[in-house]
Amino acid sequence: GDSVTQTEGLVTLTKGLPVMLNCTYQTTYSPFLFWYVQHLNEAPKLLLKSSTDNKRTEHQGFYATLHKSSSSFHLQKSSVQLSDSALYFCALSDRTNSGTYQRFGTGTKLQVVP
Amino acid sequence: NSKVIQTPRYLVKGQGQKAKMRCIPEKGHPVVFWYQQNKNNEFKFLINFQNQEVLQQIDMTEKRFSAECPSNSPCSLEIQSSEAGDSALYLCASSLGTGGYEQYFGPGTRLTVL
Repeated sequence: GDSVTQTEGLVTLTKGLPVMLNCTYQTTYSPFLFWYVQHLNEAPKLLLKSSTDNKRTEHQGFYATLHKSSSSFHLQKSSVQLSDSALYFCALSDRTNSGTYQRFGTGTKLQVVP
Repeated sequence: NSKVIQTPRYLVKGQGQKAKMRCIPEKGHPVVFWYQQNKNNEFKFLINFQNQEVLQQIDMTEKRFSAECPSNSPCSLEIQSSEAGDSALYLCASSLGTGGYEQYFGPGTRLTVL
């Protein structure tokens, strides 16, 4: 079945440094990939989404490119800020409705320090 | 910003008691999802609806939970007999559809089973 893997549980970075959070997926169907961000005691909200191979998508300084050849959708930012400290979830859906819900990865906690 | 409303925000129950939580999806969203987010921040899909009909649910939900999304009333999720392992954040999300549509999450109901 469909699955999503996020390898880092916790990433701690100094403000101003670049970050890449890993996301790989498995599906036999044409995928939709999402990144959601969840700040402490808040609801998860969409950060990015894509279904187009090799096209970079950007929002609020974050960007990601779906690579179907490597089944990846890594989240990047060139310079992290203190306000970026949050949980980041990668999620997968597919076009053919083999499943009607999104599969979420286990999440990566990003901790930005001064 | 998401307009999914969840009540109550906090719920405390004893083992064996019923625990009921409610969700009002965003206006115009026909699909509603319920997820359980555990203390490790992992998402577990429980059940989803399109309008009033169940699309998918997991075994646990079928056996121990009661859920509905009646027309013109809030959706609800009820645990028939709470167990300690049910302590978690229950997130409701709504969407325009399945597949490539993003999900809009509410703030969640935090259930503690003593």
